[in-house]
Amino acid sequence: NAGVTQTPKFQVLKTGQSMTLQCAQDMNHEYMSWYRQDPGMGLRLIHYSVGAGITDQGEVPNGYNVSRSTTEDFPLRLLSAAPSQTSVYFCASSSGASGGYEQYFGPGTRLTVT
Amino acid sequence: DAKTTQPTSMDCAEGRAANLPCNHSTISGNEYVYWYRQIHSQGPQYIIHGLKNNETNEMASLIITEDRKSSTLILPHATLRDTAVYYCIVSQETSGSRLTFGEGTQLTVNP
Repeated sequence: NAGVTQTPKFQVLKTGQSMTLQCAQDMNHEYMSWYRQDPGMGLRLIHYSVGAGITDQGEVPNGYNVSRSTTEDFPLRLLSAAPSQTSVYFCASSSGASGGYEQYFGPGTRLTVT
Repeated sequence: DAKTTQPTSMDCAEGRAANLPCNHSTISGNEYVYWYRQIHSQGPQYIIHGLKNNETNEMASLIITEDRKSSTLILPHATLRDTAVYYCIVSQETSGSRLTFGEGTQLTVNP
């Protein structure tokens, strides 16, 4: 299993540009989440999904959209990038209440907005 | 979810046990204690979790006080590769997802 994969690894955007961060998992996990981590800080939840077609907001959802059309994929869209969105973005998945308590994280996407 | 308090940083000698404390005095009866770690810029890694009883796995042991207001993560024989930020998280989530990460404890294992 590849686990949780994220692309791209690095990205530089100009203010106002849009882009999609990709996340995929091959573990058939129901739950997927997006977090951001600013320098020296812990992770903050952006959006999450408890299954295909079901998404909900986390702690810091503004400026981001998500959709979950398949179990495997959970892309995060930045609508109009701002310097405040410069951060490291982590995607994670877990099997949900029926399967266990461990959340698996991807390697992260390092985003800089100038 | 209950708030947690951890020391900002700790040091440990290689080969010795590392004991990382966490206070969660407002924990409620249905909240779990999770521990994750993050090794320099990588994605966080699950270590262990518990509800009431002490737990042990191949990575660590989790000791939860009887009143559940604090816990200690024990790495029995710390190695240089255990240098990381360790996060103690309290959550009702049985899915293990949607966790709130604080700033954690920077553990440095010294040779």
